Amino acid sequence: QSVLTQPPSASATPGQRVTISCSGSNSNIGRNTVNWYQRLPGTAPKLLIHTNDQRPSGVPDRFSGSKSGTSASLAISGLQSEDEADYHCATWDASLNGWVFGGGTKLTVL
Amino acid sequence: VQLVESGGGVVQPGGSLRLSCEASGFTFDNFAMHWVRQAPGKGLEWVSLIPGDGDNTVYTDSVKGRFTISRDNDKNSLYLHLNRLTTDDTALYYCAKDAGKYYFGSGSYHYFDLWGQGTLVTVSS
Repeated sequence: QSVLTQPPSASATPGQRVTISCSGSNSNIGRNTVNWYQRLPGTAPKLLIHTNDQRPSGVPDRFSGSKSGTSASLAISGLQSEDEADYHCATWDASLNGWVFGGGTKLTVL
Repeated sequence: VQLVESGGGVVQPGGSLRLSCEASGFTFDNFAMHWVRQAPGKGLEWVSLIPGDGDNTVYTDSVKGRFTISRDNDKNSLYLHLNRLTTDDTALYYCAKDAGKYYFGSGSYHYFDLWGQGTLVTVSS
């Protein structure tokens, strides 16, 4: 059971917009910044969004992040087939004194 | 710029293993480093972090007293010593680079900006 809660799966057709949620608590998302990682099949995780809503260089602006209270969201607009991957949220947990991840969301592009 | 893990393998319950992660392309001692694992069919689980100077390491509760993280900044290498292994430790172990050097009581504004490909640890009799 992961500390952060994500839906196990999501799906949409090419061109659509999809949102993936990440729910936590006051000891983690409520007081710390949130990062998102993308893991394409057979590859290492890659930083997608950091500090709630910041895109690293090279990440398309189709990807956006937001945070409100104890929840965060990743939105992908103009969905493409190459976006099919696992997406993981992560943040620091003050009570556990360590990093916590969501269980991951498998995105399928129909 | 890359991280390359090694040292994984099959080990019996109660056994030990040492994982290594060789870094290249960046100033290694300027950044904290992490180990993160993913068990089969499960999500990512953070295991441990070590600041850039090697002091004040942090572990997730399930590995405290069994795993030891260390680094050799002269060799640009990160290590994880795994002891008293159980089947629950079976996972793909990744090393990851932090965007910052030190932790001051919180991971806010930190993130993992580079990951290795992982090394597989299988604990089985």
